[in-house]
Amino acid sequence: KAGVTQTPRYLIKTRGQQVTLSCSPISGHRSVSWYQQTPGQGLQFLFEYFSETQRNKGNFPGRFSGRQFSNSRSEMNVSTLELGDSALYLCASSSHGGAMGETQYFGPGTRLLVL
Amino acid sequence: DQQVKQNSPSLSVQEGRISILNCDYTNSMFDYFLWYKKYPAEGPTFLISISSIKDKNEDGRFTVFLNKSAKHLSLHIVPSQPGDSAVYFCAALPPQKVTFGTGTKLQVIP
Repeated sequence: KAGVTQTPRYLIKTRGQQVTLSCSPISGHRSVSWYQQTPGQGLQFLFEYFSETQRNKGNFPGRFSGRQFSNSRSEMNVSTLELGDSALYLCASSSHGGAMGETQYFGPGTRLLVL
Repeated sequence: DQQVKQNSPSLSVQEGRISILNCDYTNSMFDYFLWYKKYPAEGPTFLISISSIKDKNEDGRFTVFLNKSAKHLSLHIVPSQPGDSAVYFCAALPPQKVTFGTGTKLQVIP
């Protein structure tokens, strides 16, 4: 099976712009979760989508949003970018969304730099 | 509020010796724990897991220990190899939401 893919791999934006990141999960996986990784905060959970519905959400402002399509591909959008949004954004897929013992499989991430 | 903490941001170990990475958690509802390894420019990859009904799980050179009363888990790598140099994250579940620690950067010195 092909792994989780994320596009683009690198992105440079300026403050105030918006950005859309894409994630294609492993075939057959219905759950896609998004994480932000920064040196100081480690990996932080953004939100999880399952069968096109947001099922769980972390503590991020409303500028961070996402959606999932019928083919399970997911997009994450960040509006009005701030310098502090510079981070590695990772998505992870799993069959059922982190149920007991289920492993999530991560993509390589999108490195976002906000200038 | 960091519910999963890895208090050592970095660790250096000689090749062949034991690496011990620690993780503390605060939420007693966590019932499953995983360790991930992450190389630069790559996503984390699953390493080993442990259920709260066990106190030890072993897979080759990797062993995870869980002390529920202390809300502490540790990952032991024996013997350490240069290829083990990476950032290690512990993660805790209840279902549908994975909480990660901040990571420990392990450097294995040849």
